[in-house]
Amino acid sequence: GQQVMQIPQYQHVQEGEDFTTYCNSSTTLSNIQWYKQRPGGHPVFLIQLVKSGEVKKQKRLTFQFGEAKKNSSLHITATQTTDVGTYFCAGLGKLIFGQGTELSVKP
Amino acid sequence: KAGVTQTPRYLIKTRGQQVTLSCSPISGHRSVSWYQQTPGQGLQFLFEYFSETQRNKGNFPGRFSGRQFSNSRSEMNVSTLELGDSALYLCASSAQDRDYGYTFGSGTRLTVV
Repeated sequence: GQQVMQIPQYQHVQEGEDFTTYCNSSTTLSNIQWYKQRPGGHPVFLIQLVKSGEVKKQKRLTFQFGEAKKNSSLHITATQTTDVGTYFCAGLGKLIFGQGTELSVKP
Repeated sequence: KAGVTQTPRYLIKTRGQQVTLSCSPISGHRSVSWYQQTPGQGLQFLFEYFSETQRNKGNFPGRFSGRQFSNSRSEMNVSTLELGDSALYLCASSAQDRDYGYTFGSGTRLTVV
């Protein structure tokens, strides 16, 4: 069945450093969504990517969808303490989540 | 616009008992999905309902079941609880086209003792 792998599992950065998490699917995805879960909270939708090679930006966050629609990445420029949380990618059909990348930011 | 409401927020049950969790989606959302979240396993997909029909199902044993009512509210039931069922159970709803993502509830924290 469809599997979505996400790396790294944990990332500790100094405030101001960049951060990237990668998502890889065993099958071609129709689209991919990204979510953020703050500690003690629930996942919150960030963005959806649909087209092969698509790049979308939200302020300091840059999302990419691979040409083959089997991988995706989220890059955060100049992390801030407010970026702390776990970032999940999720592939559709069923919304299958990757294991998430937990980001901690040291001030 | 009210968000996704899950009840109860916390639940403690004894091994062998059964439990029913409730989810009220955002008004107008007809799709409801359920997830189990544990520290070691991340977000595991349980099932998805759309217009009272189960559209997708994850790889959970038959002890886990769900249903959706005509008003789109959904319930999930876990019978014969095991210690390993302790988890945060999250419900998410979406509009039909899912382009604006899924909106999650705050979850039900189930502890099995």
